[in-house]
Amino acid sequence: EAGVVQSPRYKIIEKKQPVAFWCNPISGHNTLYWYRQNLGQGPELLIRYENEEAVDDSQLPKDRFSAERLKGVDSTLKIQPAELGDSAVYLCASRTRQENTGELFFGEGSRLTVL
Amino acid sequence: AQTVTQSQPEMSVQEAETVTLSCTYDTSESNYYLFWYKQPPSRQMILVIRQEAYKQQNATENRFSVNFQKAAKSFSLKISDSQLGDTAMYFCAFSNRDDKIIFGKGTRLHILP
Repeated sequence: EAGVVQSPRYKIIEKKQPVAFWCNPISGHNTLYWYRQNLGQGPELLIRYENEEAVDDSQLPKDRFSAERLKGVDSTLKIQPAELGDSAVYLCASRTRQENTGELFFGEGSRLTVL
Repeated sequence: AQTVTQSQPEMSVQEAETVTLSCTYDTSESNYYLFWYKQPPSRQMILVIRQEAYKQQNATENRFSVNFQKAAKSFSLKISDSQLGDTAMYFCAFSNRDDKIIFGKGTRLHILP
């Protein structure tokens, strides 16, 4: 079974440029999370989806960040324009309610460097 | 609001020794999950062990075990017979019934040869 797939793995951009990250969760996982992880810190939730609905986006900086999960499968996280402080690893994770284990499955992350 | 606190930013132990990582949390809920996740230098986070709050018995997975003290809101991870491959960041995490999952700041564990 394929795991959570994220791309790109690495991205270097100049400040004020846009950037987008893509996530393909594990098949059948209806809950999808985007986290931001700063160097040496724990992941911080940006947004959570149940199928195609964003059920928790309270920590998403909506002036520059946007996300979508069309058809309740793949998801895209966009930053426009990027700022120096956005340099971090963006993690995507998914889980299913059916197994009721609570376990999150993570992708390898997308490391963003803003110059 | 729930919080997760890991008070040990970094630890080092010799290979084959036993090490305990601490975690405390705060919640007003009675039913929830607690997790320990491992993040090796390659960065993909993987689950180490999971505990359901309504279960009194401490979870065990091979060399990994937890000491879950619900009243004290404490959830420590014990790694027995530590191995070089255990070197990683370890995150304690809390999940409520609404699927909100929050993480501690992590403990960087070094296993020394």
